[in-house]
Amino acid sequence: GAGVSQSPSNKVTEKGKDVELRCDPISGHTALYWYRQSLGQGLEFLIYFQGNSAPDKSGLPSDRFSAERTGGSVSTLTIQRTQQEDSAVYLCASSLGTAGTEAFFGQGTRLTVV
Amino acid sequence: QQQVKQSPQSLIVQKGGISIINCAYENTAFDYFPWYQQFPGKGPALLIAIRPDVSEKKEGRFTISFNKSAKQFSLHIMDSQPGDSATYFCAASRAGNNRKLIWGLGTSLAVNP
Repeated sequence: GAGVSQSPSNKVTEKGKDVELRCDPISGHTALYWYRQSLGQGLEFLIYFQGNSAPDKSGLPSDRFSAERTGGSVSTLTIQRTQQEDSAVYLCASSLGTAGTEAFFGQGTRLTVV
Repeated sequence: QQQVKQSPQSLIVQKGGISIINCAYENTAFDYFPWYQQFPGKGPALLIAIRPDVSEKKEGRFTISFNKSAKQFSLHIMDSQPGDSATYFCAASRAGNNRKLIWGLGTSLAVNP
């Protein structure tokens, strides 16, 4: 596709359930980022993938959060045992790599935990 | 601790006026300073970016002014239009830190017709 694609656009889940959020980056982009955008909190970094290197997981808020990137392309962010404080917009971005600093964002997945 | 501080939180400007949003940063290792524009329901989109080796960058109606000694940078929107109404985020990143963006909290801009 022409841009970063995320699915689903919206997700409502019950507290305690697991959710999977998907990101399809721009073709050829080796770097992929997940950010979380909470009301009043701004955007916070969650995790970073670059090629075949070990991911930078330093932003993941708890061990309930995990992510993988298969084949250097599609990424899935998984939240286990969701809590109400996980409600936020989850944004995925991709870039050409550390030298290509412009990050292109998807439209995000709005997660609501009820 | 907020590494990138953005102000104001909200801004109302008349059509044709100048919108000014300010950001200050702490870490002198930052070497890339983008501004993103976000419309409701959309992801942020890069508007304009600057590196610390220049003091000003202009693209159309949008200008970044950068003051390295003061560790501050600002976005100026000239001839503001109602279509500019959006949330604007400043951010910063550095090499060696995976280029992850450190964000300001955003400024909600409303341009009145």
